[in-house]
Amino acid sequence: DIQMTQSPSSLSASVGDRVTITCQASQDISNYLNWYQQKPGKAPKLLIYDASNLETGVPSRFSGSGSGTDFTFTISSLQPEDIATYYCQQYDNLPPTFGQGTKVEIK
Amino acid sequence: QVQLQESGPGLVKPSQTLSLTCTVSGGSISSGSYYWSWIRQPAGKGLEWIGRIYTSGSTNYNPSLKSRVTISVDTSKNQFSLKLSSVTAADTAVYYCAREPAGTGFFDYWGQGTLVTVSS
Repeated sequence: DIQMTQSPSSLSASVGDRVTITCQASQDISNYLNWYQQKPGKAPKLLIYDASNLETGVPSRFSGSGSGTDFTFTISSLQPEDIATYYCQQYDNLPPTFGQGTKVEIK
Repeated sequence: QVQLQESGPGLVKPSQTLSLTCTVSGGSISSGSYYWSWIRQPAGKGLEWIGRIYTSGSTNYNPSLKSRVTISVDTSKNQFSLKLSSVTAADTAVYYCAREPAGTGFFDYWGQGTLVTVSS
């Protein structure tokens, strides 16, 4: 299985801050990388697909970049409603695998 | 708008078989090109893909669970199902069903999730 390593595992930032999360794959996955947001007690929600494409209806403050083994997810201006855990997911090989998650909190 | 809803027992005894059903509404499970997946999440932990079934009925399973998993589809009821045998406490988790448009690799619609506890 391809291992996905996210960092940090948690972060605390102020409203309006730029927040960056990284995800590293254990092997080259091209751009086969998605990002999800999960709020407590809810199912994950797709935000970014194919590393950098914004899902329809997702605010433009969310963005993604990267290819190969190193990927970045950015919230350009953190909002109170962005409090959640964020997961990366690769689909280069079966089984699809997820990072361990990054919990984002408001400072 | 597609909606998915998991259903099934919330408590299963060790060594027994966990059985869940996902009912799809807002569209036919057999129309279009979609994979229908099961994904689970132990409390406070990350997400684990269990397996999927294609519109045609072909399946793929996570090798770590393959010997215990069966996913099937009932197109007449617009449902797909998960059976996980010989469960232990390690199988306690929230179980989600989700849709994956074929060729995309992402899960665009999810059920709300259902907690299954394995305990005697």
